[in-house]
Amino acid sequence: AQSVSQHNHHVILSEAASLELGCNYSYGGTVNLFWYVQYPGQHLQLLLKYFSGDPLVKGIKGFEAEFIKSKFSFNLRKPSVQWSDTAEYFCAVGRGGADGLTFGKGTHLIIQP
Amino acid sequence: EAGVTQFPSHSVIEKGQTVTLRCDPISGHDNLYWYRRVMGKEIKFLLHFVKESKQDESGMPNNRFLAERTGGTYSTLKVQPAELEDSGVYFCASSQGTAPNYGYTFGSGTRLTVV
Repeated sequence: AQSVSQHNHHVILSEAASLELGCNYSYGGTVNLFWYVQYPGQHLQLLLKYFSGDPLVKGIKGFEAEFIKSKFSFNLRKPSVQWSDTAEYFCAVGRGGADGLTFGKGTHLIIQP
Repeated sequence: EAGVTQFPSHSVIEKGQTVTLRCDPISGHDNLYWYRRVMGKEIKFLLHFVKESKQDESGMPNNRFLAERTGGTYSTLKVQPAELEDSGVYFCASSQGTAPNYGYTFGSGTRLTVV
């Protein structure tokens, strides 16, 4: 069975710091990769996704992620975080042709003003 | 466009009772998914409807869980009888197409607490 591993469960940063959240998955076939965010009191929202093509994917709110096939990784980055980025972030993997997503455990990100 | 609506937003029930969660997908979305997050664990896929048909229910934990989508519109997820380990947040999502690239829209979830 496929699995998704997010390396950090809690991350605390100061505003303007750079962010990188790690995500590794275990599945050898074709995958679709996603990062979702859940702001306090809100629903899960899609930040960005990768299906094919350029492995560097840009999403909303200045986030980007890089797919490295050889490392089975899809790390999320943002060069300068803001207080409003405080949220829980989820990496998810979908197999081509299958419907359900496999999620990581999530990373709580707290940005201190 | 209205989003995916779930209710109740919170439910506290006693062990052995029955609870029914409801999800209203975005209008016109044939695909509806249920996911669950037990505290401290991953969000896990439960099942997938295409219109009123169950496409994949491989994630349903056991036969105490029953999902329906009569008429292919809203869906209900009933837990009967509820057990302590059923506590968690139940998410619903909908999409136009079946493949992940159509994108899911998630609801805010129902937080179920079984005491």
